[in-house]
Amino acid sequence: EIVLTQSPDFQSVTPKEKVTITCRASQSIGSSLHWYQQKPDQSPKLLIKYASQSISGVPSRFSGSGSGTDFTLTINSLEAEDAAAYYCHQSSSLPSFGQGTKLEIK
Amino acid sequence: EVQLVQSGAEVKKPGATVKISCKVSGYTFTDYYMHWVQQAPGKGLEWMGLVDPEDGETIYAEKFQGRVTITADTSTDTAYMELSSLRSEDTAVYYCATGVAAAGPEWFDPWGQGTLVTVSS
Repeated sequence: EIVLTQSPDFQSVTPKEKVTITCRASQSIGSSLHWYQQKPDQSPKLLIKYASQSISGVPSRFSGSGSGTDFTLTINSLEAEDAAAYYCHQSSSLPSFGQGTKLEIK
Repeated sequence: EVQLVQSGAEVKKPGATVKISCKVSGYTFTDYYMHWVQQAPGKGLEWMGLVDPEDGETIYAEKFQGRVTITADTSTDTAYMELSSLRSEDTAVYYCATGVAAAGPEWFDPWGQGTLVTVSS
């Protein structure tokens, strides 16, 4: 089983700030890493696929990078609507998710 | 529009079985795997298993093996997740999600709206 560990678990940030969330895999997963955003009482929504590929309709302030075991989700110029939980997900083997990172907007 | 519509909330007693449905529209049901994900209150996402609607083959997470059954009905384009021997720890929102891949590892998109299952005596 591949374990994904995200950091931080929680972050309180101000609008327009740049946010970085990391996801570390317990073994190499190539680029088989995807990111989701989940707002309260909503289903998860795909943000980034294959570590760095953008998704149609997702604001360009969201970007991803990394390969192997270390990955990053970056949110440039944070907006109030970005308050949510963020999850990484690997599909190199049987799927697993990181524990989540909760972003609070000050 | 691609859409996954799940059945409504359920309240079950400990030891009972729950069966949740997920109806697909907007794409060919047999083209993609259907996955199920559990989210306990205030907790993260946990993958439960998948079904290949084309042939009915399934793969389950070890944690749920023996208690979960995932099926697909191609006549109605609907996937089902059945969880038996329910206990209080199974109280959660359950999501179906389509596994999409151009070729290779999948991402999940879209997701159903979620079904809350409450296990309480």
